Amino acid sequence: GENVEQHPSTLSVQEGDSAVIKCTYSDSASNYFPWYKQELGKRPQLIIDIRSNVGEKKDQRIAVTLNKTAKHFSLHITETQPEDSAVYFCAASGNNLFFGTGTRLTVIP
Amino acid sequence: EAQVTQNPRYLITVTGKKLTVTCSQNMNHEYMSWYRQDPGLGLRQIYYSMNVEVTDKGDVPEGYKVSRKEKRNFPLILESPSPNQTSLYFCASSPRVLREATQYFGPGTRLLVL
Repeated sequence: GENVEQHPSTLSVQEGDSAVIKCTYSDSASNYFPWYKQELGKRPQLIIDIRSNVGEKKDQRIAVTLNKTAKHFSLHITETQPEDSAVYFCAASGNNLFFGTGTRLTVIP
Repeated sequence: EAQVTQNPRYLITVTGKKLTVTCSQNMNHEYMSWYRQDPGLGLRQIYYSMNVEVTDKGDVPEGYKVSRKEKRNFPLILESPSPNQTSLYFCASSPRVLREATQYFGPGTRLLVL
């Protein structure tokens, strides 16, 4: 099955700086790559996703890039704010969704 | 309001006592799934269902059962719970297979097996 690796496991940035989280996947058949944000005690919430026919997608301060050849994809958050502090999960999917182990992002005011 | 609901939200039980966690969605979604979330391990899929009467194992199915008799409901059954099934459980649904559509999560069920 699919294996998704996510780095780093923790990330601290100053407010206003950028944050980058990277993921790799193993199954070349995966073609859907969502990112979820999970606040403490809450359910995962989709923040952005990308499909394999697209190399980059942006939504305001967040962007995702995908390199299918190298089998890696990244989440970029610019101008970080304290409310961006949460755990972020990447995932890769064909018929089913396989998650990375998560990155705890802390934005320091 | 479109939503995925789970019950109960919190449950403390003892080893061996059968339990069921219900999941229901009101969006007429075909695809439903159960995950467990453990610290440092992310979310791991237990079982999934692509439609009524169609279920299949995910990554960690041992010790769990599911059924999909109606489109809206997808209960998770622990026939004989053990302490290693202590976890946070999420149900999720999607209109179609995941390569084509986004998945929506329920609020979670926190289970403690003593």
